[in-house]
Amino acid sequence: GEDVEQSLFLSVREGDSSVINCTYTDSSSTYLYWYKQEPGAGLQLLTYIFSNMDMKQDQRLTVLLNKKDKHLSLRIADTQTGDSAIYFCAVPDSGYALNFGKGTSLLVTP
Amino acid sequence: NAGVTQTPKFQVLKTGQSMTLQCAQDMNHEYMSWYRQDPGMGLRLIHYSVGAGITDQGEVPNGYNVSRSTTEDFPLRLLSAAPSQTSVYFCASREGGRAYHEQFFGPGTRLTVL
Repeated sequence: GEDVEQSLFLSVREGDSSVINCTYTDSSSTYLYWYKQEPGAGLQLLTYIFSNMDMKQDQRLTVLLNKKDKHLSLRIADTQTGDSAIYFCAVPDSGYALNFGKGTSLLVTP
Repeated sequence: NAGVTQTPKFQVLKTGQSMTLQCAQDMNHEYMSWYRQDPGMGLRLIHYSVGAGITDQGEVPNGYNVSRSTTEDFPLRLLSAAPSQTSVYFCASREGGRAYHEQFFGPGTRLTVL
């Protein structure tokens, strides 16, 4: 199956940029996703990128995709305390399922 | 739309007891799935369904059964609960097809097996 790897923790100061990285193994994925999980809640789609794109920007969020290295990153500009959450990289497998990384816990300190 | 709903929110079981976690969606989504979330393990797929009457196993199916008699409902059954099944369970749904597919998640069921 698809292997999706993420670092487990990231701590940044409020106002700084956060960069969360993800690597994956399958190169046939059409879309790649970032989900956000706030404490005690389910996952919500944060953003996504189509596999023929290198970059996608959505307000404070920038997604970079390097297909050659199978590397996906999520940059959050001007990180706020409300951005503290767990962020999951998700890549479709060859069937119908999404394979999730273990999640990166982002802690934003004042 | 209520989206994806799950009941109960919390449950405590004794080893060997059985129970059913309920999941329903009102978006007419073809695809539904069950995940479990454990600390440091991310989300792992238990079972999934691509339509009414069709189910298949995911990464960690042992100890769980599912059925899909309607498009809306996808219950998860624990036949004989074990402490290893202590986890948070999420149900998710999405439209069919293999193109862009945002998954919508329920709020989760936190299960403790003593």
